[in-house]
Parts: sequence; C-alpha cells; structure tokens
Amino acid sequence: DQQVKQNSPSLSVQEGRISILNCDYTNSMFDYFLWYKKYPAEGPTFLISISSIKDKNEDGRFTVFLNKSAKHLSLHIVPSQPGDSAVYFCAASMPNSGYALNFGKGTSLLVTP
Amino acid sequence: DARVTQTPRHKVTEMGQEVTMRCQPILGHNTVFWYRQTMMQGLELLAYFRNRAPLDDSGMPKDRFSAEMPDATLATLKIQPSEPRDSAVYFCASGLDVATADTQYFGPGTRLTVL
Repeated sequence: DQQVKQNSPSLSVQEGRISILNCDYTNSMFDYFLWYKKYPAEGPTFLISISSIKDKNEDGRFTVFLNKSAKHLSLHIVPSQPGDSAVYFCAASMPNSGYALNFGKGTSLLVTP
Repeated sequence: DARVTQTPRHKVTEMGQEVTMRCQPILGHNTVFWYRQTMMQGLELLAYFRNRAPLDDSGMPKDRFSAEMPDATLATLKIQPSEPRDSAVYFCASGLDVATADTQYFGPGTRLTVL
C-alpha cells in the first residue's frame, strides 16, 4: 500500500513561473518529510525537508509547506528554471524505522523556456 | 567529493541466474539502505543496515533476495534465482545515524534487466 502519494505524474510550467508539486500521505506516524530531485541515469538527490513541528521551510527558490491536518505537503519553486526539469519525489520517514524513506511515485516537472 | 558508488551500472541476465549488486557507502557513514525503483511501485525500500547490522529487510522477497555488509566499505544485494519481475533500478544510499533523514546520499543505481 502506497503511504505517500503524488497524484500528478507530470507537470509543465513556463520558465519564470511558479511550480507547485503536491504530495499526500496516509501514515500519521511520519514526522519528517523530504523532497528529492532525480535526473535520468542518476540517483535521487536531496532537495529540501521539513519536520512535522513546522509548517513551512524555505531554501532559496524552494519552499515546502506542510499541512498536518490534511496530511498534505507541497513544494513550491519560484521562479522555475529550465534546469529544474527533473522528476521530483516526495518522501516521508519516521524515527522508529531508522529514517528509511517512504517515497511517492514522483512527478516529472518540465520547465519550458 | 565523497559519493556512493554502485557496480555494475547495468546488468542484463537470464531468468534463473544469480545477480550480485555491490555498493560502496560514503566513508564514515554507518547506515546503508537498498531501494528498488519500478514503474509500477516507484521507489520502495528493500532493506537497511546500521553499523553493518541488518535492521529491516521486510521489503525483500526472502526466498530469493539477500543483503549483507561483509565490511563497512561494502554492501551487497544478491538475487538467486533472478526472475523477469526483478527488472528494475536498484539504488543504494548511505547516511549518518542522526535524528533526521537528510543525510541519505544515493548512488547512481544498478539497472537490472532479467530476460
């Protein structure tokens, strides 16, 4: 059963606009949430994370929002750049699992010039 | 530039053959994770180790998969016998045993095709 869900397989955004990637989770035991970025033929690379005690975390052009009551998080990229084109994975972890990651299936973002 | 390395990068084999994938974690990291990526399931955890001890391998098909860490610089994932449904990209990640998951670094993956 998929405990982390990314319901949009793909997203296309114009350069300079905002990209919003969404993620939902079902397990209330998750206390740490992460976004990974993946290019073809490479492993995922860590992008940004948020603890369940926060509702927002910002790092440059990337902001992650967490709505615990809705079990929903989102990644905002502003402004989007062509180099942001990649597959973005949402992941969640809990402390009693050694922080092993539960991943969503990913959203492929295409930023067009 | 510390990186997780995985060998081989690509493997094509026939059903029934044994497959061994290797991972060299980043020096100093004490946790190692194996993940598998398929179109249907996405990225799923197979097993993980802390200080070379297996902590959880519930994600692995026990009858054919085995994961070991012979020493701190090598982790192996073995499939015997392999089946076409094992075709996937297998990722190894290593990290520090700290209170967050930020420190997991992924290798480039081994793309396995079982004919």
